[in-house]
Amino acid sequence: QLQLQESGSGLVKPSQTLSLTCAVSGGSISSGGYSWSWIRQPPGKGLEWIGYIYHSGSTYYNPSLKSRVTISVDRSKNQFSLKLSSVTAADTAVYYCARGGTGTTLGYGMDVWGQGTTVTVSS
Amino acid sequence: QSALTQPASVSGSPGQSITISCTGTSSDVGGYNYVSWYQQHPGKAPKLMIYEVSNRPSGVSNRFSGSKSGNTASLTISGLQAEDEADYYCSSYTSSSTQVFGGGTKLTVL
Repeated sequence: QLQLQESGSGLVKPSQTLSLTCAVSGGSISSGGYSWSWIRQPPGKGLEWIGYIYHSGSTYYNPSLKSRVTISVDRSKNQFSLKLSSVTAADTAVYYCARGGTGTTLGYGMDVWGQGTTVTVSS
Repeated sequence: QSALTQPASVSGSPGQSITISCTGTSSDVGGYNYVSWYQQHPGKAPKLMIYEVSNRPSGVSNRFSGSKSGNTASLTISGLQAEDEADYYCSSYTSSSTQVFGGGTKLTVL
């Protein structure tokens, strides 16, 4: 079955760029009808949607993060990535990647999640 | 976009039913039938329980059900079990083609 695995730097210095990758296995990221999302959860707090990329390559971002976020896909490696620039301590969180629907499949529900990776912003 | 509004906590005894509300606006919950609900146990990734307001993914117990009226969606859990104790989050598609989560509700099974 489809599995997602996050990887990337666990410690990032303030003002630098956070970079994470989500490897997709057991299926193709090029399958139509799905979106590929990033979500984060600060320690002890709730979930925050960061953004997603559609099969078509279209991207949509949380307005509060839009100026700092880029989500991209590497179809040759069957993975997608997150870059978040100018990070501060407020960006410290567990970061999850997930597969979701796009209206025709699963609505926009996210049915497959990675295990999450902890990113700490500190000098 | 503002987070959807959920009660911080709810509780119930085994066998009882509880309902968690999720209030948004006409630009999200009220405007689309794209409300989802997630269950999250401590230290674990969220799990999709309901999508498109009231649909259950394969493998999710039929004790979980969803509904919507106006700008408020609801998750009902019937026949509460100890394993249902977790945090629950709603989410909705928005008029900006983005998604927004609720603040989360901690369910305690007494």
